[in-house]
Amino acid sequence: ETGVTQTPRHLVMGMTNKKSLKCEQHLGHNAMYWYKQSAKKPLELMFVYNFKEQTENNSVPSRFSPECPNSSHLFLHLHTLQPEDSALYLCASSPEEPNTEAFFGQGTRLTVV
Amino acid sequence: GNSVTQMEGPVTLSEEAFLTINCTYTATGYPSLFWYVQYPGEGLQLLLKATKADDKGSNKGFEATYRKETTSFHLEKGSVQVSDSAVYFCALSNSGGYNKLIFGAGTRLAVHP
Repeated sequence: ETGVTQTPRHLVMGMTNKKSLKCEQHLGHNAMYWYKQSAKKPLELMFVYNFKEQTENNSVPSRFSPECPNSSHLFLHLHTLQPEDSALYLCASSPEEPNTEAFFGQGTRLTVV
Repeated sequence: GNSVTQMEGPVTLSEEAFLTINCTYTATGYPSLFWYVQYPGEGLQLLLKATKADDKGSNKGFEATYRKETTSFHLEKGSVQVSDSAVYFCALSNSGGYNKLIFGAGTRLAVHP
């Protein structure tokens, strides 16, 4: 039990589909993150939310659209994806204070066909 | 800016061998340093951490010491087991503003009987 739950664990979608990834945490944290992990590439920070406000967007293409309705939930809405977007998408949460560790979900393995 | 550099893998060892995975960092201020581990098909789990210079983090036989003078946080274990086979990530969190973790590229460790 990591405290951070991601659904679904696996997702296959066509390039014209629209889907959403969900992340939920019950750790009382106020910061949430989306990371992308591709084969043979470093972990890429995509978005950061603090107290439901987006505080970082690392030049992520607009076909990825995050949503943070409250401090416990984070979504990543996907549309018109490309095959190179296939990756493991990891959600994490942490206290908002600097210098604290993040807790990760198990990830969603996304395959775009 | 902040960054983390890890030795490239894969690292292949025999059971009971000594392990070192090098990690160096560049940061402004006084970051906290972390080692995370990722087992196959899983998200990242915190392995150990150190929050200030000369601190030693330890867990499950792994150790790392926060060396400010050499900006390093090398991971060591005296005797590895097959079950230690995983990908290891060095990370830092910034010491100002909102919390954000920056990861190294990861080092894959394979331990053989």
